[in-house]
Amino acid sequence: EDQVTQSPEALRLQEGESSSLNCSYTVSGLRGLFWYRQDPGKGPEFLFTLYSAGEEKEKERLKATLTKKESFLHITAPKPEDSATYLCAVQFPSGNTPLVFGKGTRLSVIA
Amino acid sequence: DSGVTQTPKHLITATGQRVTLRCSPRSGDLSVYWYQQSLDQGLQFLIQYYNGEERAKGNILERFSAQQFPDLHSELNLSSLELGDSALYFCASRGGTEPNYGYTFGSGTRLTVV
Repeated sequence: EDQVTQSPEALRLQEGESSSLNCSYTVSGLRGLFWYRQDPGKGPEFLFTLYSAGEEKEKERLKATLTKKESFLHITAPKPEDSATYLCAVQFPSGNTPLVFGKGTRLSVIA
Repeated sequence: DSGVTQTPKHLITATGQRVTLRCSPRSGDLSVYWYQQSLDQGLQFLIQYYNGEERAKGNILERFSAQQFPDLHSELNLSSLELGDSALYFCASRGGTEPNYGYTFGSGTRLTVV
């Protein structure tokens, strides 16, 4: 069973059409939830870290929020350059566990 | 440039062969993580080193091994290669141990086994 699930798998938006990506996790409690952006053939690029329910972080057109069981990445008025795969990763509370990644949402923004 | 350097960028090799992937972490980062990314599986954790010692192991195959050297660079060795080993291999480094220290990834090595 996947511990970190992202939806949708792919999303196609018109330029300026706002939407949200979802990341849900199955374990109780976490030490941190991370959002990354990945362009084709490149390494993931760190965007945000969230620690506790109710926390929000913003960067340009992106806003990440966290509840007890899921996180949302809101994209406001996206531009074509926002096209990428967005990855969610969770650091679980037990021991020295590495980040567990979801499979990502592939976002395409059409001009 | 993220500060994490991976070489080579591309590698094409035949089944049954052995290859070595190299990673230099950001200056001062003690932790190195190796991940495998294939189209259908996403990023899968392989192994972590901290200051030269193995700290955590994921579903790493017995044919794969890694080490971290005194200068903190790391190498991932893949042997008896199979077609299914074709993937992107990423190295990431991390400065601190608290969750707010996100991983910094290199640009990856694309391995193609033919």
